[in-house]
Amino acid sequence: QKEVEQDPGPLSVPEGAIVSLNCTYSNSAFQYFMWYRQYSRKGPELLMYTYSSGNKEDGRFTAQVDKSSKYISLFIRDSQPSDSATYLCAMRDDYKLSFGAGTTVTVRA
Amino acid sequence: GAVVSQHPSRVICKSGTSVKIECRSLDFQATTMFWYRQFPKQSLMLMATSNEGSKATYEQGVEKDKFLINHASLTLSTLTVTSAHPEDSSFYICSASPGSAGEQYFGPGTRLTVT
Repeated sequence: QKEVEQDPGPLSVPEGAIVSLNCTYSNSAFQYFMWYRQYSRKGPELLMYTYSSGNKEDGRFTAQVDKSSKYISLFIRDSQPSDSATYLCAMRDDYKLSFGAGTTVTVRA
Repeated sequence: GAVVSQHPSRVICKSGTSVKIECRSLDFQATTMFWYRQFPKQSLMLMATSNEGSKATYEQGVEKDKFLINHASLTLSTLTVTSAHPEDSSFYICSASPGSAGEQYFGPGTRLTVT
């Protein structure tokens, strides 16, 4: 069993829809939770960073963490074609990040 | 803020030669830098972790004599792929952490092709 599970998709939504992404994990030692966006042939870009259960909002992005269920989510409101990318969840214990497989999202104009 | 650069962005080399990739944190000091490898349509695989002034810690299965890592300063780390072979062709990405809460900022990646 992988430490971090993420459905690779692909996920296709119409412009303006809400994109819902999630990951589950098995390692209780994970303390910090991140979401990265990666465009093709580029390095990942940090979108959201949280370290406690609950919600964190930044513009059109909302990250949720439920440590009791070992489940994290990312919601993208009012999605745009420019949001089309691969979204990676990542979790950290000490200094090592463990990544999900990434979900490929396409927002159709 | 939190910009990480990599150089070169793309390199093609012949089998048996060595290639050096540079990773720089441009606007912060990175106590720790990381090197990842990513195959097409796969997630990132951590190769090694390096702290400034000390030897890198390699992940299981990564040959430390083949992938030489030097973290000479708080803003620069280098990865040298020695005696490169076609199977080393991949997308290499570095990241840097300012060390406060462990968040990592990634460089744009280097695409290595060994012919």
